[in-house]
Amino acid sequence: QAQLLQSGPEVKKPGASVKVSCKTSGYTFRGMTWVRQSPGQGLEWMGWISAYNGNTIYAQKFQGRVTMTTDTSTKTAFMELRTLRSDDTAVYYCARSEEDWYFDLWGRGTLVTVSS
Amino acid sequence: IVLLQAPGSLSLSPGERATLSCRASQSVPNNYLAWYQQKPGQAPRLLIYGASRRATGIPDRFSASGSETVFTLTVSSLEPEDFAVYYCQQYGTSPITFGQGTRLETK
Repeated sequence: QAQLLQSGPEVKKPGASVKVSCKTSGYTFRGMTWVRQSPGQGLEWMGWISAYNGNTIYAQKFQGRVTMTTDTSTKTAFMELRTLRSDDTAVYYCARSEEDWYFDLWGRGTLVTVSS
Repeated sequence: IVLLQAPGSLSLSPGERATLSCRASQSVPNNYLAWYQQKPGQAPRLLIYGASRRATGIPDRFSASGSETVFTLTVSSLEPEDFAVYYCQQYGTSPITFGQGTRLETK
């Protein structure tokens, strides 16, 4: 049974960095998309990474602040967001896309709270 | 591509029909439009992809149609578990974008 297991909640101060992990199981790990959802708000695509070659596509909004990586030995994807601001407070989801860029499997989300 | 969903919220009773709209600011290439359902405290759940194809395990009371800039999700007869927030998403062009959501509430 395919699953995405995300790391636990984080509390960070403004200016700090956070690294969220997403461990895959039950399917062939090809890549990962990250989507975030601010409190009471909609969904925002952050970017994607290939597990094959590490190629990434980042949303322009996050360019320069986000780094997505993978560890193929543990079938885990990572998303690091730097220089955190209060408006980065959100639930961060990893999501799988198998054929096209729709997401048929989601992690449970990781709440990142940025507060001084 | 900006996606505008309407209405912002919809109050209906179980057994009624729900019709949700998603309008794109420009034509969605290949009609690459998906719909998701999200319940409080849960991740989104894929309902529809390719504008009209039901995802695995989705009941047939969920149907969708549309092309280019106008898309619709219909729930033919609402069950209690269908009350949630629904999002459309286009994946025809980068950046991938989502609509702001329609909240389906119990009347």
